[in-house]
Formats: sequence, structure tokens, C-alpha cells
Amino acid sequence: VNLVESGGVSVQPGGSLRLSCTASGFIISSHWMHWVRQAPGKGLEWVSRLNNDGSTFYAESVEGRFTTSRDDAKNTLYLHMNNLRAEDTATYYCAREDWEVWDWGQGTLVAVSS
Amino acid sequence: EIVLTQSPGTLSLSPGERATLSCRASQSVSSRFLAWYQQKPGQAPSLLIYAASTRATGIPDRFTGSGSGTDFTLIISRLEPEDSAVYYCQQYGSSPPITFGQGTRLEIK
Repeated sequence: VNLVESGGVSVQPGGSLRLSCTASGFIISSHWMHWVRQAPGKGLEWVSRLNNDGSTFYAESVEGRFTTSRDDAKNTLYLHMNNLRAEDTATYYCAREDWEVWDWGQGTLVAVSS
Repeated sequence: EIVLTQSPGTLSLSPGERATLSCRASQSVSSRFLAWYQQKPGQAPSLLIYAASTRATGIPDRFTGSGSGTDFTLIISRLEPEDSAVYYCQQYGSSPPITFGQGTRLEIK
């Protein structure tokens, strides 16, 4: 199992960004997949979940601004982020939920600043 | 939303000692969906314990998880310098939001 996030860059407030999480060793459409973020020097904050049936769930802090999706052909999970704010600055991790066990990627850093 | 409160915030111990980390939930949590992670600077969280008491693959038996309902504990025995890290508890399962405790920083002096 391997998860590799990419797409993190520096972006201005109000901007948009798409993060990718490319999976290998398993099929993402068979699992619940998560995004979790961590602001610099802070704790872990759950962001979103994409169920294997395609249903999605979001933290209140990102509801209406972030969308998670997947491309089954590419075995890749996405996080589409709109109307970014300074408080969205964080390392974003994708994770696979396999029954009770979560597997994590190494993260990608998003910096929102003018 | 289930709030997880970890204590203490910081723990400073010596090699060979035992660390006791607490995670208290604002409402009952299924033991099946309570996990503990270790995070070192610049690294992703690493799973230590899942289902409250099951060690993840490769985790030594110095790490022991226990608890049920609203009170969970992680005990690290025979502390080693490499155990210096921040430890998080997490609750998950079928009903979002998934939540994490705020973390306990363990320093091995």
C-alpha cells in the first residue's frame, strides 16, 4: 500500500487548488478514503471522506468550499479546494481506511498567503 | 461531534520509565474505532494502536492500549529516546466527523 500526495503549492487567498493522491497496491474505489490536514505546529484535523459508494462527507470548516472525488482509471483521489483562506494553510494527508486500520501518505503542503 | 481530550499536554520522562497517556471522549466511542498515532517532526502520523488495544504491524509490545466507553489509555513501557514524539488519539467509524485529540508531547530527557 502506497499513497503519494501532490499538488501543494503557495496560493493567494480566494484562490483554488487541486490536490492529488495517487494510490498503489490497492484499489481506492474499494475503500473509504480520507483527507486530513495539519496546520504548522498544530494537531490533526479531519477534512473529508469519500466512501466506496461515492458518497462524501466534509468537516464544517470546509463544507461548501472543498470537494473530494476520485478517478478510478488513474486510481487517484482528489481534493478540490476553492475560496482558500489563510487558515487552510496546512500539510494535507490522504489516508485509506481499511476496516479499523488507516494507512497514510506523506502529505503535501498548501500555503495560503498574499 | 465527539471531542477527544488528551492529557497531559506534555510529558517529560527518563529512559526506562513508563509513560501513561490518557484520551477522554465527550461521549461513548466504539472501541473498535479508537486508534493511537505517533508523529515525529516532519513525518506523517504513524499508526501504533487500533481497535483500542491492537498493536499495528511492527509495533513493539512496549506499547499497550486499553480502555472502553469514554476513557482510553496508551502506556509506553521502558521508554527509549526514539519514543520522543507527539501522540494522538483518534475516533472514527461510520458517522463523521472523525476527530482527533489535541496531542500529548512526550519528551525523553
